[in-house]
Amino acid sequence: TQLLEQSPQFLSIQEGENLTVYCNSSSVFSSLQWYRQEPGEGPVLLVTVVTGGEVKKLKRLTFQFGDARKDSSLHITAAQPGDTGLYLCAEEYGNKLVFGAGTILRVKS
Amino acid sequence: NAGVTQTPKFQVLKTGQSMTLQCAQDMNHNSMYWYRQDPGMGLRLIYYSASEGTTDKGEVPNGYNVSRLNKREFSLRLESAAPSQTSVYFCASTRDMDSPLHFGNGTRLTVT
Repeated sequence: TQLLEQSPQFLSIQEGENLTVYCNSSSVFSSLQWYRQEPGEGPVLLVTVVTGGEVKKLKRLTFQFGDARKDSSLHITAAQPGDTGLYLCAEEYGNKLVFGAGTILRVKS
Repeated sequence: NAGVTQTPKFQVLKTGQSMTLQCAQDMNHNSMYWYRQDPGMGLRLIYYSASEGTTDKGEVPNGYNVSRLNKREFSLRLESAAPSQTSVYFCASTRDMDSPLHFGNGTRLTVT
């Protein structure tokens, strides 16, 4: 099982600021999924990236897959308190999904 | 459409007690999973069932057993609970690995 490293572990910002969180591996991803988890709930899929260099946008969220498919980033523009949560990246490995430890994001109003 | 339903939501056990965590999905998904979530460690896979009638160990299976009762239901059993099993447990399901995982809302288990 390859190790997924997410950074930073924790991020606390003011409403309206921009931020980027990262997901890295020493090996090549077949594909990568990003999930968001709110307190007291299970994770919910945000996006899947498959192709090296791919960029996907989901409203104020921009997801990028590295050219070499060994890293990915999630950029949030003008963060809002509703963006608060745990952001997890995950990779398919055989018949299962392996998760990184996540980035806890807190957006203060 | 309920999605993935986990019961109970909360449970407190004494060391050595046993219990079964229940999970059911109504999406006709083939694969089901049990994860545990601990602070700073993300989600770690305990067991999974790629299809009805099969189960396989994940990353942290020790101390747990599972049963894929039918296509809808996948239960997780702790035979003799230990404090190290204090965690939040999530059940998830998916149609196939090209589709997203759908998670339940978790069971918060404390073992004293």
